Amino acid sequence: EVQLVESGGNLVQPGRSLRLLCAASGFTFNDHAMHWVRQAPGKGLEWVSGIDWNSGTEQYADSVKGRFTISRDNGKSSLFLQMENLRNDDTAFYYCVRDMWAMVTRGVSFDYWGQGTLVTVSS
Amino acid sequence: DIQLTQSPSSLSASVGDRVTITCRASQSVTTYLNWYQKKPGKAPKFLIYGASSLRSGVPSRFSGGGAGTDFTLTITSLQPEDIATYYCQQSYAALWTFGQGTKIEI
Repeated sequence: EVQLVESGGNLVQPGRSLRLLCAASGFTFNDHAMHWVRQAPGKGLEWVSGIDWNSGTEQYADSVKGRFTISRDNGKSSLFLQMENLRNDDTAFYYCVRDMWAMVTRGVSFDYWGQGTLVTVSS
Repeated sequence: DIQLTQSPSSLSASVGDRVTITCRASQSVTTYLNWYQKKPGKAPKFLIYGASSLRSGVPSRFSGGGAGTDFTLTITSLQPEDIATYYCQQSYAALWTFGQGTKIEI
């Protein structure tokens, strides 16, 4: 059974940093690209970042480019999101998401999602 | 970025009704269009990819159609467990965008 378990969400002040972790199991992690998708309270889904199976390509939404860094450790079946200079509008549930495919390219499809971890940015 | 506009934003329907949701893209995405179901407090569920391919295990009352800029998600006989918000997502070009969602209520 595919499982994606996020952790690291917390209440943090604006301008501070936070690192999210996703522990994956139940599938061959390095066969798949991985993504982070978020949902702010009362809002819709927003793709945040994606990374190829071999970390060859990273992509970011304009809203987080230059502040967030995605990475992965295939040996530990783990996905990370380092978030710097957090803003109030980064407040959201952050979901770890598996891509059907290995590359972050045309056809990305989010086939398995974790339960999410809540990041609250507030002073 | 490619913008996706869903209509309606919300709808009220009865069990057994046929329900259709529309997703319109700001430019052609050919058939690179996916659909997801989101229930409160739950992780989103992947329903349809490539505009019309049903993911394994998804009930056959769900179907997708369309190409280019106009797409539909249809539920042929609405069930109580289908009460959720539905999102389209384009996979044609980065950055990978979602529609704003359509909330189905009974």
